[in-house]
Amino acid sequence: GAGVSQTPSNKVTEKGKYVELRCDPISGHTALYWYRQSLGQGPEFLIYFQGTGAADDSGLPNDRFFAVRPEGSVSTLKIQRTERGDSAVYLCASSPTLVGNEQFFGPGTRLTVL
Amino acid sequence: RKEVEQDPGPFNVPEGATVAFNCTYSNSASQSFFWYRQDCRKEPKLLMSVYSSGNEDGRFTAQLNRASQYISLLIRDSKLSDSATYLCVVNGGSNYKLTFGKGTLLTVNP
Repeated sequence: GAGVSQTPSNKVTEKGKYVELRCDPISGHTALYWYRQSLGQGPEFLIYFQGTGAADDSGLPNDRFFAVRPEGSVSTLKIQRTERGDSAVYLCASSPTLVGNEQFFGPGTRLTVL
Repeated sequence: RKEVEQDPGPFNVPEGATVAFNCTYSNSASQSFFWYRQDCRKEPKLLMSVYSSGNEDGRFTAQLNRASQYISLLIRDSKLSDSATYLCVVNGGSNYKLTFGKGTLLTVNP
């Protein structure tokens, strides 16, 4: 079956611009996660959704970052007033339920802020 | 102290070699432990979960020592296709939030 998909695969933007990154989880997966991976580092947790609600957004670095999942499926990560330090690969993952399930990752969106 | 620390690597080994990766974690409340594999410019994929009793999957063996808060991965008879970054991953007691180490790059040479 189809895995987690993310669009765009690459995004180049200028400092100060607004960007939206989209994630389509595996059909039927109720849990959705966003991670950010900088060069040479492991992925870092940003936010977790169970259904439509953000159950834990403690990993969002500041209030320029926001994510939604209005219908409990597709999620959008929104970054306002982008900064060069936001450049990274943004990974989305989903899992069937909350506890103990494997998280399946999408291919990521590579964001470059010039 | 970082939550998850791994051997910095990189590791360069010949085909057929045995290679071991080590990892320590700081949160004693952690419940679940994993090794993920990440190929260059690809997403992380689960290689294996790690259980207290230790577990084996073909050429791969994972061990967990809760008392020492230490996790290991052993790869025997390494193949060219094993070349990747290996990420030590811990579920820090939250049951959903994965904490990743920086990863250790392995290159298996012919």
